[in-house]
Amino acid sequence: DAGITQSPRHKVTETGTPVTLRCHQTENHRYMYWYRQDPGHGLRLIHYSYGVKDTDKGEVSDGYSVSRSKTEDFLLTLESATSSQTSVYFCAIREAGGIYEQYFGPGTRLTVT
Amino acid sequence: QKEVEQDPGPLSVPEGAIVSLNCTYSNSAFQYFMWYRQYSRKGPELLMYTYSSGNKEDGRFTAQVDKSSKYISLFIRDSQPSDSATYLCAMSEGGGSQGNLIFGKGTKLSVKP
Repeated sequence: DAGITQSPRHKVTETGTPVTLRCHQTENHRYMYWYRQDPGHGLRLIHYSYGVKDTDKGEVSDGYSVSRSKTEDFLLTLESATSSQTSVYFCAIREAGGIYEQYFGPGTRLTVT
Repeated sequence: QKEVEQDPGPLSVPEGAIVSLNCTYSNSAFQYFMWYRQYSRKGPELLMYTYSSGNKEDGRFTAQVDKSSKYISLFIRDSQPSDSATYLCAMSEGGGSQGNLIFGKGTKLSVKP
């Protein structure tokens, strides 16, 4: 357990509604990441953060936005959820330096109906 | 061609067998190599990591990197039913945003008692 929590753990929402997922860490790591995991696609990077208010896009960022106003929290927002965003979302953290290993949270299972 | 290729399996072996899991990659700048284990409905957990070429052993697990062939392997000796999981390889160039990980799609392993 790398001190990472994700909330909610499960969510069902309707197409067109906004959704915010929260990742919280207790160890003040600089880097935080949001991934989605889908069958046949593996883990794909959505957005990442390299410090408070410093974020950048990943491979599949369309339809998603992020915010990081505190070191410990990284929020992922789906502005208007679509069925294609039904997925399992994982947050990860990484220490500065090291060998670039990332540690993952337990995941959020999101269903968009 | 994807940067990282991994046979999705599934791979089924009897208890006690030696398991070989592999990934190939195309980016010669990758320097950091990791293996993650993911149990069903859980987040990936870091299993092993290596820097550059060579072998690393940890109990029943051995990670090998052959940079000349752009090929990495994970060997599991005396496999146990508790090893049944999906194994993900991951790689990084290192350095700033290039420290982001690129994942294989994962190989699903089943160890039968």
